[in-house]
Amino acid sequence: DIQMTQSPSSLSASVGDRVTITCRASQSISSYLNWYQQKPGRAPNVLIYAASSLQSGVPSRFSGSGSGTDFTLTISSLQPEDFGTYYCQQSYSPPYTFGQGTRLEIK
Amino acid sequence: EVQLVESGGGLVQPGGSLRLSCAASGFTFSSYWMSWVRQAPGKGLEWVANIKPDGGEKYYVDSVKGRFTISRDNAKNSLYLQMNSLRAEDTAVYYCAKGYCSISCPYWYFDLWGRGTLVTVSS
Repeated sequence: DIQMTQSPSSLSASVGDRVTITCRASQSISSYLNWYQQKPGRAPNVLIYAASSLQSGVPSRFSGSGSGTDFTLTISSLQPEDFGTYYCQQSYSPPYTFGQGTRLEIK
Repeated sequence: EVQLVESGGGLVQPGGSLRLSCAASGFTFSSYWMSWVRQAPGKGLEWVANIKPDGGEKYYVDSVKGRFTISRDNAKNSLYLQMNSLRAEDTAVYYCAKGYCSISCPYWYFDLWGRGTLVTVSS
């Protein structure tokens, strides 16, 4: 099975900050990497798919990069509504594992 | 309206069984891979199983193999998860999720999720 490791597990940042979350796969997954945002009590929503493609309707301050084993989600200018937990997920092979999540708090 | 609605969750004793359902609407259900994803209380997301559009291929996470069975009825636009020999560690909110790719194929992702149904395994 492919293990997905995110860092950090949690972070606190201020409005306007640039925020970076990383995700590492235990083996190469090409660009089969998605990023989701989940708010408390809600289902996740996709932000980025295929490592760097922005989902329709998602603000352009979100971006993704990477391929192979190392990936990054960047929020260029943090907004109050960006609080929540962020998950990476590999869609390369089953089981389609998620990272453990990064909880983002707004200072 | 494009949506997925799960049902069938509840409290069940260890060793018991439960069948979850997911009703799809607003899209051509028979064209898409469908998955179940679960989330234990206060924990992260765990993919459980998925099924091909025609039901001909199914995949499971190791922890549920031999105990859970995913199925679908395209005529009824419905996805199911039969859960047997339930354990305390199966306690979670179970989400139904639709797999999607378009111009990004073969890169796919979950583009639609239900609200989830809570399964609690406890005596």
